[in-house]
Amino acid sequence: DVKVTQSSRYLVKRTGEKVFLECVQDMDHENMFWYRQDPGLGLRLIYFSYDVKMKEKGDIPEGYSVSREKKERFSLILESASTNQTSMYLCASSLVAVGNTIYFGEGSWLTVV
Amino acid sequence: ILNVEQSPQSLHVQEGDSTNFTCSFPSSNFYALHWYRWETAKSPEALFVMTLNGDEKKKGRISATLNTKEGYSYLYIKGSQPEDSATYLCLHKGHSSASKIIFGSGTRLSIRP
Repeated sequence: DVKVTQSSRYLVKRTGEKVFLECVQDMDHENMFWYRQDPGLGLRLIYFSYDVKMKEKGDIPEGYSVSREKKERFSLILESASTNQTSMYLCASSLVAVGNTIYFGEGSWLTVV
Repeated sequence: ILNVEQSPQSLHVQEGDSTNFTCSFPSSNFYALHWYRWETAKSPEALFVMTLNGDEKKKGRISATLNTKEGYSYLYIKGSQPEDSATYLCLHKGHSSASKIIFGSGTRLSIRP
């Protein structure tokens, strides 16, 4: 069974803290993605990576950075968490051709207080 | 259309009724369209990937059609059941290498027993 695992499902962090959200896939996929989902706004792309150490900004990269040191792991970093980053974060992966299915993790609910 | 739009935003249907909803996308730049089903607290699950104009796909009681010339896809559910309650997302990818993957904001379907 294919699997995208987000290690932290529910987090509560304080404003200004550095936050790491980890995502691991076991399918040897080249592409990995981080999205956030907010009510009424749908899924918005934060960053994606098409290979190890490669990354591209999505639609809303401000306040975030990413790291992909190994093919199976894609980390989303909030350098200094703010309350407007309270959201549900979804990781995904796929093979390089976009006609292929995208597989998703179960989501990480982050609350910044 | 410059964006990916789904309508309606939400839908309430009586159990046993059939229903359909729409995903509209830029017709001038098309490579692939995906449909996903997203139940609360679970990962989005792939339903269909469509790439050719006129494509029709079917999975049990759910089917989808694609019109790339006019830029829309319909998702149909026949004989709705309570387990069909979910948010249905479409995803569009344009043909150029610079095109990003864009999700619609989803149609939230609720089935009344």
